[in-house]
Amino acid sequence: GNSVTQMEGPVTLSEEAFLTINCTYTATGYPSLFWYVQYPGEGLQLLLKATKADDKGSNKGFEATYRKETTSFHLEKGSVQVSDSAVYFCALSDRRGNNRLAFGKGNQVVVIP
Amino acid sequence: GAVVSQHPSWVICKSGTSVKIECRSLDFQATTMFWYRQFPKQSLMLMATSNEGSKATYEQGVEKDKFLINHASLTLSTLTVTSAHPEDSSFYICSAGGTSGGYEQYFGPGTRLTVT
Repeated sequence: GNSVTQMEGPVTLSEEAFLTINCTYTATGYPSLFWYVQYPGEGLQLLLKATKADDKGSNKGFEATYRKETTSFHLEKGSVQVSDSAVYFCALSDRRGNNRLAFGKGNQVVVIP
Repeated sequence: GAVVSQHPSWVICKSGTSVKIECRSLDFQATTMFWYRQFPKQSLMLMATSNEGSKATYEQGVEKDKFLINHASLTLSTLTVTSAHPEDSSFYICSAGGTSGGYEQYFGPGTRLTVT
């Protein structure tokens, strides 16, 4: 079946540091890949997406590239801000039927001033 | 575009009562909506898939008689927690499938349910 694996544990870093959150996936077929962000007490917001191999999704300074050969979709940002503190979820859709998503466990990111 | 709302944003109810949560797609039509449950510091657990005009599809282990889902129109799905108990206290989030062909989902802001 489909599954998404995110690196374990919270991520704490200083403002203006480089952020990487690893995401790998297992899927049948050719999935679409997503990163969602959840701020405290809120629902999830779509941060970026990629629908085919070598596509790069980008938004708000965040980027992720769909790597079919390594089945990965790592999230990166060159210079984080305190306002980027949130939980980040990697997800995939196998594009069958009704847009059902498989989520990773999420990573808490804390940016310290 | 692609805005999903939920109502209420938080609710407190007594044990044994029922609570209804509404999920609306405000600027698009959603033939499919999803209901999730999220425990503190955990990922989302899909409870059921709601299809307009037909019965919801529940995930394994989710009691369909306890979590009633109705998708009466292309912009509204409701989740009713019947005979609520303290263990039903959680953050409930709905989502709707996008229409751009990118297979993403758009999420509501969530409803915090506390059962006393």
